[in-house]
Amino acid sequence: GEDVEQSLFLSVREGDSSVINCTYTDSSSTYLYWYKQEPGAGLQLLTYIFSNMDMKQDQRLTVLLNKKDKHLSLRIADTQTGDSAIYFCAERRADSNYQLIWGAGTKLIIKP
Amino acid sequence: DTAVSQTPKYLVTQMGNDKSIKCEQNLGHDTMYWYKQDSKKFLKIMFSYNNKELIINETVPNRFSPKSPDKAHLNLHINSLELGDSAVYFCASSQGQVHNSPLHFGNGTRLTVT
Repeated sequence: GEDVEQSLFLSVREGDSSVINCTYTDSSSTYLYWYKQEPGAGLQLLTYIFSNMDMKQDQRLTVLLNKKDKHLSLRIADTQTGDSAIYFCAERRADSNYQLIWGAGTKLIIKP
Repeated sequence: DTAVSQTPKYLVTQMGNDKSIKCEQNLGHDTMYWYKQDSKKFLKIMFSYNNKELIINETVPNRFSPKSPDKAHLNLHINSLELGDSAVYFCASSQGQVHNSPLHFGNGTRLTVT
């Protein structure tokens, strides 16, 4: 995941918004994804965004993409204890045979 | 109803043994993957099969051999297990190498080598 970077931890209070950030380096990205991994479980697709979009909203989730700065973020509104998980950012690159390149994951910790 | 299922969920074995992990998907996808997740949660792709043909084979010891009897199955056989093989192994599937086809993951197999 050296080309896709995320902070390892984020701590927020229950009810606040969480913003998880991701930066990438490759300009051939086509789609960017956010996955959620709860303890002892597999990765679950949360949402994805096409690289020519700026924003995508889905209920409590908002994805923002700044293609110029190669920066992707996931905002979770009204964070709940059930949002505690590791969040992975991944990019699909056209120049790598559309392989997925993964970040190292951000562990979201919810404080009461 | 499980989309991507892998067995077993847990596998504890001794060094030097040979073991297999099975994966099946009922999504009608034509591409399947094996990933390894280490203790720091870092995900590394190992293999990818498209229509039973190997298309990605990352730097993985040749003790690891994937086998795809058909599009819906991708098994992983590991020979001469080593301590460093301890990890969680995830199977995943997607619809080809299409741009927007997300991966669907199984729940993982936790392998512990003693």
